[in-house]
Amino acid sequence: NAGVTQTPKFHILKIGQSMTLQCTQDMNHNYMYWYRQDPGMGLKLIYYSVGAGITDKGEVPNGYNVSRSTTEDFPLRLELAAPSQTSVYFCASSYRGAGEKLFFGSGTQLSVL
Amino acid sequence: EDQVTQSPEALRLQEGESSSLNCSYTVSGLRGLFWYRQDPGKGPEFLFTLYSAGEEKEKERLKATLTKKESFLHITAPKPEDSATYLCAVDASGGYQKVTFGTGTKLQVIP
Repeated sequence: NAGVTQTPKFHILKIGQSMTLQCTQDMNHNYMYWYRQDPGMGLKLIYYSVGAGITDKGEVPNGYNVSRSTTEDFPLRLELAAPSQTSVYFCASSYRGAGEKLFFGSGTQLSVL
Repeated sequence: EDQVTQSPEALRLQEGESSSLNCSYTVSGLRGLFWYRQDPGKGPEFLFTLYSAGEEKEKERLKATLTKKESFLHITAPKPEDSATYLCAVDASGGYQKVTFGTGTKLQVIP
């Protein structure tokens, strides 16, 4: 049982490039989330999904897109990367939603230069 | 707007020296308060959920308590392996899948 798996662990992106952060979970959770974590700031919700085919914006969605074609996968797409998107990104999942514990992946450290 | 404030930002303890971490919150309607542990380079790992004032939960050397305005994470006789950042988060009646996280307390336990 791997839990929540994120790839890559580290990546350097040039300004204006695009990339996709991958997230997959093997716990059959309906709810999945993308957070970013910046130094001195709490985790901020980017996007979330309550099931396959359903996604919605969180607090800080600008510059990002998501899709949820399967229960297992929830990729995060960065279009036209900007230095402000330098951050550590965490994917998380839960069985019944934000009101119960979240299972987090190990994160992707992204630098946009 | 929901707010979560954790203090202190950093705490250095000698092994065996008990202490408490604080999480104060201002929310419209608390549905649950969570504590997570985060090790360097890893994602947060769930510790506890508290739902109502007066509730307490324990796990090994950790005990979490909840009042109407704050939560405490008490660490009794800590060991070096307890060194980590401890995050507090609240689920409030905001109407969507949003959990507000605090900025964390970085705990270092020295042998």
